[in-house]
Amino acid sequence: DAGITQSPRHKVTETGTPVTLRCHQTENHRYMYWYRQDPGHGLRLIHYSYGVKDTDKGEVSDGYSVSRSKTEDFLLTLESATSSQTSVYFCAISEGSNYNSPLHFGNGTRLTVT
Amino acid sequence: DAKTTQPNSMESNEEEPVHLPCNHSTISGTDYIHWYRQLPSQGPEYVIHGLTSNVNNRMASLAIAEDRKSSTLILHRATLRDAAVYYCILRGSGGSNYKLTFGKGTLLTVNP
Repeated sequence: DAGITQSPRHKVTETGTPVTLRCHQTENHRYMYWYRQDPGHGLRLIHYSYGVKDTDKGEVSDGYSVSRSKTEDFLLTLESATSSQTSVYFCAISEGSNYNSPLHFGNGTRLTVT
Repeated sequence: DAKTTQPNSMESNEEEPVHLPCNHSTISGTDYIHWYRQLPSQGPEYVIHGLTSNVNNRMASLAIAEDRKSSTLILHRATLRDAAVYYCILRGSGGSNYKLTFGKGTLLTVNP
């Protein structure tokens, strides 16, 4: 298994509170991604990173921010959580950005916003 | 972005071959065909990818039509552990094609 650890695995929080999810990798891969998965919508890209301090938005980035200060860590922050952000969040990594670099996913963080 | 079309669900019996189809009629010449699968309560897992020729690996085989407008993922002997959602995805070969766009996939049920 690719060395990807997501923490926490489960979290329940209240609307309006800040939440930070962490993705840690031991593969030294350059590219890291945050996806969310919801019934009826499949997996959607939130943000991605192509190096330390280099990040960009995905298709559903509103309400989320990210940071990558070290190669191994990619943080996803919900500044003020809303019920619509209840979801399962997956982190992924890849060695390169092209067709020949598969993505490897973590096991997810289940976030519930009440 | 070129899109893919997959059946919502399929069923198979254990130890029988499974052929999972994918249509991608608007595929461009530089798009690779990737397959991922997602087991219950886990993140997606890479299965295989190819461009034009058929591909084999330890998990599966990928058969690509001559006109590249469709492909088939082949599991040679289904096991209960193969029950998952299978995603067919197109990914470009050049530039900064960071994003992997997942559709709804095919839910494969394997009967004992």
